[in-house]
Amino acid sequence: GQQLNQSPQSMFIQEGEDVSMNCTSSSIFNTWLWYKQDPGEGPVLLIALYKAGELTSNGRLTAQFGITRKDSFLNISASIPSDVGIYFCAGSNSGYALNFGKGTSLLVTP
Amino acid sequence: DAMVIQNPRYQVTQFGKPVTLSCSQTLNHNVMYWYQQKSSQAPKLLFHYYDKDFNNEADTPDNFQSRRPNTSFCFLDIRSPGLGDAAMYLCATSFTTGLYGYTFGSGTRLTVV
Repeated sequence: GQQLNQSPQSMFIQEGEDVSMNCTSSSIFNTWLWYKQDPGEGPVLLIALYKAGELTSNGRLTAQFGITRKDSFLNISASIPSDVGIYFCAGSNSGYALNFGKGTSLLVTP
Repeated sequence: DAMVIQNPRYQVTQFGKPVTLSCSQTLNHNVMYWYQQKSSQAPKLLFHYYDKDFNNEADTPDNFQSRRPNTSFCFLDIRSPGLGDAAMYLCATSFTTGLYGYTFGSGTRLTVV
C-alpha cells in the first residue's frame, strides 16, 4: 500500500496546550481518516474527511482535508490528560484497504 | 451495543505451535479485516473477507490463514508462529469499502515463546 508520512513521531506537552499533527502522501486520497489508539486497545475513529478543503470538528478536535488531497491535519485544542495515546492518519481510495501512517504518540502532563 | 469483539485479549503461544485468534461482530457488516500491528508501526493489512470472498494481500506470508464461517465470525490461524509474528492482531469491520472507516476490535496481543 501507499506509505503515509505522519509527523511528528511523538509529542510531549503540558495540559492545556494545543497540538497539531499532519500526514502527507505522494498520492491523492478520496478519504482521510484520523484514529486514536489507547494503549492495549484497538484504534477508534475520531474524524472522517471526504472532500478536499473540508474542515471538520469533533469537540476539541479539528481536522482538515488538504486542498491537494495529498495531506491532512489534525489539531487538538486545550489538551487534557485523557488525550494521551497514538494518533493515526489513514487514507482510502474506494478500496477496502486503509493506508495508515506510523502514528503520532502524544503524552500530556498535568 | 454493536461492536467488534476479539478473543483472547492476550495469547501466549510456543514457537511453531498453531494458534487461532477469533473475532466476532454484531454490526452485521459485510467486510471483516485482519491487521497486524508491531510495536511503533502502522497497522498492516493481512487479508479481508467481503462476505465469503477471501482477499489475501500479496505480501501476507502463507503461515497466516483465515476462516469466516458466517457473517459474524472470522478467525486468524497462524500455522507455525515464529518469534517475528509476535504483534498485536487487530480485527476490523466495515459495511462496504474502507471509505467510511472501520470499526476495530480491541486487539489480541500475541506473544511467541
